[in-house]
Amino acid sequence: KAGVTQTPRYLIKTRGQQVTLSCSPISGHRSVSWYQQTPGQGLQFLFEYFSETQRNKGNFPGRFSGRQFSNSRSEMNVSTLELGDSALYLCASSLVPSPGSPLHFGNGTRLTVT
Amino acid sequence: DAKTTQPNSMESNEEEPVHLPCNHSTISGTDYIHWYRQLPSQGPEYVIHGLTSNVNNRMASLAIAEDRKSSTLILHRATLRDAAVYYCILRRNTGNQFYFGTGTSLTVIP
Repeated sequence: KAGVTQTPRYLIKTRGQQVTLSCSPISGHRSVSWYQQTPGQGLQFLFEYFSETQRNKGNFPGRFSGRQFSNSRSEMNVSTLELGDSALYLCASSLVPSPGSPLHFGNGTRLTVT
Repeated sequence: DAKTTQPNSMESNEEEPVHLPCNHSTISGTDYIHWYRQLPSQGPEYVIHGLTSNVNNRMASLAIAEDRKSSTLILHRATLRDAAVYYCILRRNTGNQFYFGTGTSLTVIP
């Protein structure tokens, strides 16, 4: 069974630009969540989607947004990029959005903002 | 807010058991305790999770204190492949929020 696939693996963008990251969950998994990982802040929750609906959102500004498609694939978008947005962005999928359901992570997209 | 506290680093000799502690004194009754580990340049990998009772799987065991304010991940025989950063995470039922610790970097000495 294929794992969680995130594309692209690496991205370099300039301040002020916008970026879209993609996540394909494990087949059959309907819940997708996104995380930001930085050396200073560690792992932080961005948002979670289930059945094309955002269920939860972390404490990030409105420049961070996402969506989920009918096939459970998800994208996240960051507009007006800032230097501090440089991070590893991780996507995880699970069968259902239950706290008792294990998360399966992709290997992330490394975003560098210059 | 619920929060988890873990030691920054630990060392273990190869083939010996490892006990990785996590404190979560503000845990609520419906919070699940999850453990993940992460190798460099990879996403976190699921290890184990539990709610109230101790849990075992092929990778590890999870011992949860009776008052649920702490838990311990037990690797029964550490191997070099177990060297990673281990994260203790609380997942809340209400609003399904996620609370991450800063992780414990485990070094396995051959």
